[in-house]
Amino acid sequence: AQSVTQLGSHVSVSEGALVLLRCNYSSSVPPYLFWYVQYPNQGLQLLLKYTSAATLVKGINGFEAEFKKSETSFHLTKPSAHMSDAAEYFCAVRGNNAGNMLTFGGGTRLMVKP
Amino acid sequence: DAGVIQSPRHEVTEMGQEVTLRCKPISGHDYLFWYRQTMMRGLELLIYFNNNVPIDDSGMPEDRFSAKMPNASFSTLKIQPSEPRDSAVYFCASSSSAKNIQYFGAGTRLSVL
Repeated sequence: AQSVTQLGSHVSVSEGALVLLRCNYSSSVPPYLFWYVQYPNQGLQLLLKYTSAATLVKGINGFEAEFKKSETSFHLTKPSAHMSDAAEYFCAVRGNNAGNMLTFGGGTRLMVKP
Repeated sequence: DAGVIQSPRHEVTEMGQEVTLRCKPISGHDYLFWYRQTMMRGLELLIYFNNNVPIDDSGMPEDRFSAKMPNASFSTLKIQPSEPRDSAVYFCASSSSAKNIQYFGAGTRLSVL
């Protein structure tokens, strides 16, 4: 069975500061990992995905995430936060034998201060 | 492609009434998912279909909830009778087995008074 833990339900950063959103997973098989972003009153949009190719994955809007098997982590980072990055971010895991079903973490709300 | 289309975007109803939420997945996708999102419980998977067949409905809260997928381009989630605790945002998502990415609709915000 798969599970995802996102440490910190709320993260606040200043504009221009580093963004770090944490995600740890457990999976009995090599995982596919995803980060989704949800802006207010919208559905979830894919930011990036890891599918066992390069361990450093680049996504949209300057975000990237690094898969670290030894730490079972897939943290999301962005060097410089922008006001428009304020949103809720979800980490998700899919096992190889789980059809297309995803297990989502509880989400992290990112606030960006001017 | 227009993406996953959900209707209505907002629904306000009274307790005891039947509610039907609709979803049109992306053309060519063979998986369809229904989720519910609340502040208290976060994002919950209710049910998902593969090739129009329900695969896992273990997330459906109770018998008041039912979902159908009569064809590859349409699905419904029905609540009968509705209760105030069903108030939430309901999302539909679709994906293809070839690409493993779920695409979400904009959601239906349901308020049961």
